[in-house]
Amino acid sequence: DTAVSQTPKYLVTQMGNDKSIKCEQNLGHDTMYWYKQDSKKFLKIMFSYNNKELIINETVPNRFSPKSPDKAHLNLHINSLELGDSAVYFCASSSGDLNTEAFFGPGTRLTVV
Amino acid sequence: GENVEQHPSTLSVQEGDSAVIKCTYSDSASNYFPWYKQELGKRPQLIIDIRSNVGEKKDQRIAVTLNKTAKHFSLHITETQPEDSAVYFCAAHMDSNYQLIWGAGTKLIIKP
Repeated sequence: DTAVSQTPKYLVTQMGNDKSIKCEQNLGHDTMYWYKQDSKKFLKIMFSYNNKELIINETVPNRFSPKSPDKAHLNLHINSLELGDSAVYFCASSSGDLNTEAFFGPGTRLTVV
Repeated sequence: GENVEQHPSTLSVQEGDSAVIKCTYSDSASNYFPWYKQELGKRPQLIIDIRSNVGEKKDQRIAVTLNKTAKHFSLHITETQPEDSAVYFCAAHMDSNYQLIWGAGTKLIIKP
């Protein structure tokens, strides 16, 4: 069950630090996403990216930035972490646009202290 | 922009009974409506989806109905089992939008 993988699974860090979460998919999908799930379980898309276009949810602070070294990877970099960034971050991928099934990674639980 | 409302936020049913979760959407241009199931501590997974050219779709004990006129769609689970306990999310998408719009989720509890 490693179609979409993320590392690390847990991340505890202090405010002000910079951290990265890595994501890899071996499904051959063209599109990858980052989602944030807060303590109330709301799922919020942060970025949508394929080999042509990065689409950013305008509500996402610019401290968050996706980096894609190739089609199979979409990493998430977070600068100057804040307490409110604590959440579970899910990477996902799909074969096409958003009207196809999204396959989610196992999630990374980020705790900022 | 599109908005998706999901009800109820929590649903408790007796094992073997049916469960129904309802979602309404605001933009009539929405044309794709997936349902995801998220078990405790796990990732969301697609369980069923429906497109706007179809009124109903079934997959064993799970069905989804879509009423385009009223702009609502529902998830129906029959003969509920303990493993159906999870949070269920509905979502809506239209081609002109870059994102899925998600409902707030329904926590389904199956009582033994």
